[in-house]
Amino acid sequence: NAGVTQTPKFQVLKTGQSMTLQCAQDMNHEYMSWYRQDPGMGLRLIHYSVGAGITDQGEVPNGYNVSRSTTEDFPLRLLSAAPSQTSVYFCASSGRGVEYFGPGTRLLVL
Amino acid sequence: GDSVTQMEGPVTLSEEAFLTINCTYTATGYPSLFWYVQYPGEGLQLLLKATKADDKGSNKGFEATYRKETTSFHLEKGSVQVSDSAVYFCALSDQTSGTYKYIFGTGTRLKVLA
Repeated sequence: NAGVTQTPKFQVLKTGQSMTLQCAQDMNHEYMSWYRQDPGMGLRLIHYSVGAGITDQGEVPNGYNVSRSTTEDFPLRLLSAAPSQTSVYFCASSGRGVEYFGPGTRLLVL
Repeated sequence: GDSVTQMEGPVTLSEEAFLTINCTYTATGYPSLFWYVQYPGEGLQLLLKATKADDKGSNKGFEATYRKETTSFHLEKGSVQVSDSAVYFCALSDQTSGTYKYIFGTGTRLKVLA
């Protein structure tokens, strides 16, 4: 099992550009989440999904969109990047009450 | 709402020293409690968990006991190693609602010196 995979590992964007952070899991987990990690802030939940076709907002959803067309994939879209979205992004899937994290995507918005 | 508070770091210890990282929580339901560890450049990994009061989670020499009376879940290790240097996150998840949403503390950086 690959677990939770994320691409890209690192990305630089200019303000106003759009991009999609990819996330996939091969554990057949229904529950998936996106977090951002900022210094001194811990992890904050952006969006989550309890199954294909079902998504909901977390603590900091503004500026981000998600969709869940399959159990395996849960992409995160930035429609118009802002410097405040410079962060490390983690995708996670949950099984048996345990959160499994991907390796992260480091995003820099100039 | 639910929340997790953990001690600020960084914590710097010599090898073989005793480690305690404090974590307290507030929750309206009956959460499960977790410690996750993040090594440099990596994602978070589950270190240990406890699902009900008085449960003790343990792994790799680390231990934490779910104390409902003090709403705490302090992480301890009797003898730390340089390889334990990482950031440690306390977290809770109230899964009684079926949503499995997690709440994380801000993390405590541990540095162990040889």
